[in-house]
Amino acid sequence: DSGVTQTPKHLITATGQRVTLRCSPRSGDLSVYWYQQSLDQGLQFLIQYYNGEERAKGNILERFSAQQFPDLHSELNLSSLELGDSALYFCASSVATGHGGETQYFGPGTRLLVL
Amino acid sequence: GQNIDQPTEMTATEGAIVQINCTYQTSGFNGLFWYQQHAGEAPTFLSYNVLDGLEEKGRFSSFLSRSKGYSYLLLKELQMKDSASYLCAVRDLLMDSNYQLIWGAGTKLIIKP
Repeated sequence: DSGVTQTPKHLITATGQRVTLRCSPRSGDLSVYWYQQSLDQGLQFLIQYYNGEERAKGNILERFSAQQFPDLHSELNLSSLELGDSALYFCASSVATGHGGETQYFGPGTRLLVL
Repeated sequence: GQNIDQPTEMTATEGAIVQINCTYQTSGFNGLFWYQQHAGEAPTFLSYNVLDGLEEKGRFSSFLSRSKGYSYLLLKELQMKDSASYLCAVRDLLMDSNYQLIWGAGTKLIIKP
């Protein structure tokens, strides 16, 4: 158990819908990262937050957005969902240097299925 | 540009030794991670190398050569539970003095009895 929690574990929804994925980092970690992993594909970095501020952006679609709240939990919002958005979405957290690139500890993921 | 290469898939026999290679090209290399990921599960941290040489951790060892842009993960006394994907990730220094992790596509390791 990494100490990172994600909810929900599974999500089934329809095309065009909007969903919110939630992540709570390990105690003391200020950085949160979001990744997308499609079936049999590598990890695709989406976005990083550090202490409430956006720190780095990867290949995140405009239909996707995220935020980190004062209690450090983070939410990833996916809207206008398409079939191709079906994937595992991981959240990871790391220690509080803020400079990025630290060891990341991953949550169990949310499996999203868009029908 | 930035690039990380790993073999897509490898097969090995239970009880044997396997070496998974990772080559990288980055402009601001500052360390290399190995993660293990079982199918459908979260990646878990295995090792971190920032200096040249071999780091041993039980059955797993990781090696780094910065001059060659090369690392490998060595797994000994293979067990069936070692069947997983192994992800190489490079810590790269950005122009704004922050770092990012660049992830390889992963190597799927299949262990046969």
